[in-house]
Amino acid sequence: SQQGEEDPQALSIQEGENATMNCSYKTSINNLQWYRQNSGRGLVHLILIRSNEREKHSGRLRVTLDTSKKSSSLLITASRAADTASYFCAPLPHGGGGSNYKLTFGKGTLLTVNP
Amino acid sequence: GAGVSQTPSNKVTEKGKYVELRCDPISGHTALYWYRQSLGQGPEFLIYFQGTGAADDSGLPNDRFFAVRPEGSVSTLKIQRTERGDSAVYLCASSMDRVGTGELFFGEGSRLTVL
Repeated sequence: SQQGEEDPQALSIQEGENATMNCSYKTSINNLQWYRQNSGRGLVHLILIRSNEREKHSGRLRVTLDTSKKSSSLLITASRAADTASYFCAPLPHGGGGSNYKLTFGKGTLLTVNP
Repeated sequence: GAGVSQTPSNKVTEKGKYVELRCDPISGHTALYWYRQSLGQGPEFLIYFQGTGAADDSGLPNDRFFAVRPEGSVSTLKIQRTERGDSAVYLCASSMDRVGTGELFFGEGSRLTVL
């Protein structure tokens, strides 16, 4: 499968705590993207990390990528109630065959941040 | 427009009826995607357009589903003889990146309920 698998499936924390979500995948990738989805809404792109990058920051978000382990993690620091959402990773496959455009998604991690 | 627009936002129909869902991508985006999302699941890839042509329709579940993008902008997803199992949120996304390495911009989705 080309999709990422997020872990844990659900995570509940208190406001101010950090939240860490993990993603595993199986194929060689061009890049890996993280998306957020609030209940009843569309997905919103958070951050993209390329296969030659190991870590990337964007505001309170920190993403790491370990291509040798085929895994990525998303850390949200100092979480807020507004961070409550589902989070999806999407590895973009590398290589030919016309498949390097198709993002596929797992079931996501449902993060609940309690005020 | 400023974002990806999908209409209708909600559609309730009876089993056996024909349904059309419309997606208006961000201006200038050449790539357009349709996904289907069932409750508690991640988005499931249906079809990808690059310009006017369907570059990959491998995700369409059966021949009741068809999508067009005649002028390389607006796309319509068509479902014939709807079944209760077709009930889901249908998400559209667009991207300006021809080689599929960039981020996807999602619409808010069309929620289809088949009674």
